[in-house]
Amino acid sequence: TQLLEQSPQFLSIQEGENLTVYCNSSSVFSSLQWYRQEPGEGPVLLVTVVTGGEVKKLKRLTFQFGDARKDSSLHITAAQPGDTGLYLCAGEKTDKLIFGTGTRLQVFP
Amino acid sequence: DAGITQSPRHKVTETGTPVTLRCHQTENHRYMYWYRQDPGHGLRLIHYSYGVKDTDKGEVSDGYSVSRSKTEDFLLTLESATSSQTSVYFCAIALTGTAEAFFGQGTRLTVV
Repeated sequence: TQLLEQSPQFLSIQEGENLTVYCNSSSVFSSLQWYRQEPGEGPVLLVTVVTGGEVKKLKRLTFQFGDARKDSSLHITAAQPGDTGLYLCAGEKTDKLIFGTGTRLQVFP
Repeated sequence: DAGITQSPRHKVTETGTPVTLRCHQTENHRYMYWYRQDPGHGLRLIHYSYGVKDTDKGEVSDGYSVSRSKTEDFLLTLESATSSQTSVYFCAIALTGTAEAFFGQGTRLTVV
């Protein structure tokens, strides 16, 4: 059983649409990170959220950490083809990063 | 780019043979991790290290062992490869256990 479940698993949308990806767990995490991975490459960090209820914005991407620090969401406004990739959340737990199941996003022009 | 090199990048091996994957870093980061990536599972932690000769198991450690005799090198060994170990393996490094993790480019291992 995976500690961090992401939904949806796959998402195909048209350019300009908005979308939200969810990362849920029954465990509490000290912090939560979001990564993006391109084909053939390793994941690259987008953001880290630490405080319950925290909201961080990165251009068109908005990240939120749940009040109880068990879940997080990533919202993309006006998606672009360059946003295509695999999005992974990762929770920090006693010096280990535990990754979610991943959401594969494809944005069509 | 963080100085992480994984070798080999691709390997095909037969069931029952031993395989060793190498992760080399030039950043002097204390933490090093081995993950495997499979469709529908994201990244799953195999083993990690928090210093020279200090290692611990992750969530999918069965069938794998690791060694870290130098800060810069973290080796992952499959003692007797099985087809279920066909996967893409990623090494990652981090300054602390809570810091950003930097990933290598991965090793695609196929066990036939």
